[in-house]
Amino acid sequence: AQSVSQHNHHVILSEAASLELGCNYSYGGTVNLFWYVQYPGQHLQLLLKYFSGDPLVKGIKGFEAEFIKSKFSFNLRKPSVQWSDTAEYFCAVMTTDSWGKLQFGAGTQVVVTP
Amino acid sequence: GAVVSQHPSRVICKSGTSVKIECRSLDFQATTMFWYRQFPKQSLMLMATSNEGSKATYEQGVEKDKFLINHASLTLSTLTVTSAHPEDSSFYICSARKTVNQPQHFGDGTRLSIL
Repeated sequence: AQSVSQHNHHVILSEAASLELGCNYSYGGTVNLFWYVQYPGQHLQLLLKYFSGDPLVKGIKGFEAEFIKSKFSFNLRKPSVQWSDTAEYFCAVMTTDSWGKLQFGAGTQVVVTP
Repeated sequence: GAVVSQHPSRVICKSGTSVKIECRSLDFQATTMFWYRQFPKQSLMLMATSNEGSKATYEQGVEKDKFLINHASLTLSTLTVTSAHPEDSSFYICSARKTVNQPQHFGDGTRLSIL
């Protein structure tokens, strides 16, 4: 069965620290990859997506993610976090045989302290 | 752009009643809408996929007679939880997309509490 794994459930870091959230998926075919963010009390918002081309994808708010096909990974990074980055982050995968359905990881709660 | 409105945001009702949740794409036509359920500290679990004008496709383990989905237009899908019981209490989230390879845009979710 296909699965999406996010390595950390909870991350606490200080402002200006660098952030990296891991995401691995199990699917051997072509995938589209997404990172969504959910700020407290708000709906899920798309941070960035990868469909094809350059495996290093830049998203909003200074986030980027790198697709490494050989490692089945799509890790999210930000060089210097801010307090406003406190949120829950979800990795999601859409496979070519899933008719556009997204499979989500369990999410990572990120808390940035001032 | 790409705003999805979900209503109501919070519902509290007695066991045995039916509850309808609406999902609207406000500024685009959504050929497909999705309904998710999220349990505390868990990920979103897809319940069903709804294409405009056709019957919804339910995920394994989701009772179609319990969770009625209607997608009557390109901007509106509804989820009706029939004869709701306390175990149906959860956070229900809809999303909508224009076409297959477009990202899904999410509503704010509905917190359903059955007493």
